[in-house]
Amino acid sequence: QSVLTQPPSVSGAPGQRVTISCTGTSSNIGAGYHVHWYQQFPGTAPKILIYNNNNRPSEVPDRFSASKSGTSASLAITGLQAEDEADYYCQSYDNSLSGSRVFGGGTKLTVL
Amino acid sequence: QVQLHQSGPGLVKPSETLSLTCTVSGGSLSSFYWNWIRQPPGKGLEWIGYIYYNGRTNYNPSLRGRVTISADTSENQLSLKLSSVTAADTAVYYCARAWDSTGYHSYWGQGTLVTVS
Repeated sequence: QSVLTQPPSVSGAPGQRVTISCTGTSSNIGAGYHVHWYQQFPGTAPKILIYNNNNRPSEVPDRFSASKSGTSASLAITGLQAEDEADYYCQSYDNSLSGSRVFGGGTKLTVL
Repeated sequence: QVQLHQSGPGLVKPSETLSLTCTVSGGSLSSFYWNWIRQPPGKGLEWIGYIYYNGRTNYNPSLRGRVTISADTSENQLSLKLSSVTAADTAVYYCARAWDSTGYHSYWGQGTLVTVS
């Protein structure tokens, strides 16, 4: 049971827009801690996609964006491409667990 | 370019101690938080703990008591030891660098599959 809750899967057709939610509580996202998003392809290490709620590393396309509000965060992917098919994880910090980094359970994105 | 290279056995017997090493190249251990994260097969990511370059550590409460993270700044290496392992500890283990205690992981090792059997 992950501290942050994500939908197990989402899907969309090429060109469409999809969103992935990440729901936390008042001791993590709701406490004001940053939310970060990672993209992971099978057999490889996760890669930072969005950091500090809504910042993209320079190499990440601007089709990827994220937002945060209250105890939740959301990752949006526009202009969906086949190469976006991967697992996506959110991450934050929780002050109720002696100070622990926490992850969402991950969301499998399928491009139809 | 910072690179993290992991090494260690891929098979550990139940009740024994899992030991992994992460060697950092292209940068030093100084001023960063060095984390270990694991991922059971087909499952999500779990943070194990970190060590700050000054030696301060913090561990996941669910693993506290079994886990030790240490660093050798002269060799630019960090290590993970997890004792009394069971099949539930079978996972891909990653080392990863972060700027601060609550922030994101910008560099990752290649991952090491450790099977407890």
